[in-house]
Amino acid sequence: DVKVTQSSRYLVKRTGEKVFLECVQDMDHENMFWYRQDPGLGLRLIYFSYDVKMKEKGDIPEGYSVSREKKERFSLILESASTNQTSMYLCASSGQGPYEQYFGPGTRLTVT
Amino acid sequence: GESVGLHLPTLSVQEGDNSIINCAYSNSASDYFIWYKQESGKGPQFIIDIRSNMDKRQGQRVTVLLNKTVKHLSLQIAATQPGDSAVYFCAGRYSSASKIIFGSGTRLSIRP
Repeated sequence: DVKVTQSSRYLVKRTGEKVFLECVQDMDHENMFWYRQDPGLGLRLIYFSYDVKMKEKGDIPEGYSVSREKKERFSLILESASTNQTSMYLCASSGQGPYEQYFGPGTRLTVT
Repeated sequence: GESVGLHLPTLSVQEGDNSIINCAYSNSASDYFIWYKQESGKGPQFIIDIRSNMDKRQGQRVTVLLNKTVKHLSLQIAATQPGDSAVYFCAGRYSSASKIIFGSGTRLSIRP
């Protein structure tokens, strides 16, 4: 059974804190993705990675960075959290080619 | 730019009736589309996909129809059940090998 796991389901951080969100997949997928989901805006792509140490900006990369040191792990970093980064964060992975993305359960981040 | 959207933010159907959820896209070069279901508190789950060389694809109780002429796709759910209550997203693949764009979602509710 395919599995994408995220390090936390709920997270509360203070403005200015550095935040790490981790994602691990066990399907040996080349591609991994980070999205944020906000009411009325759907899923918006922050960053994605198609190989170890490779990354590409998505539609809303500002205020975020990512790290992919191992194939199975993709981290999203908020260098200095702000209240407008309060959101649901979803990680996904997929194989090469036109294949569906498998999603993790999400991390609901609140920045106060 | 490229976009994928959904026609209605909400849809209410009687239990046992068929549901039809619609989606429009802007890029005629897109070659792959996916429908996802997202239940409350969970990440999106793959339902069914379709490639642009097909007009129709059927799964268990679900059918996706693709009309490339008008750049429209639909998800039909037969004999809608309470467990079908969720937000449904269409997504389309563009230019990049693996990046896909999500619509904003339709919330399907079931009347007893």
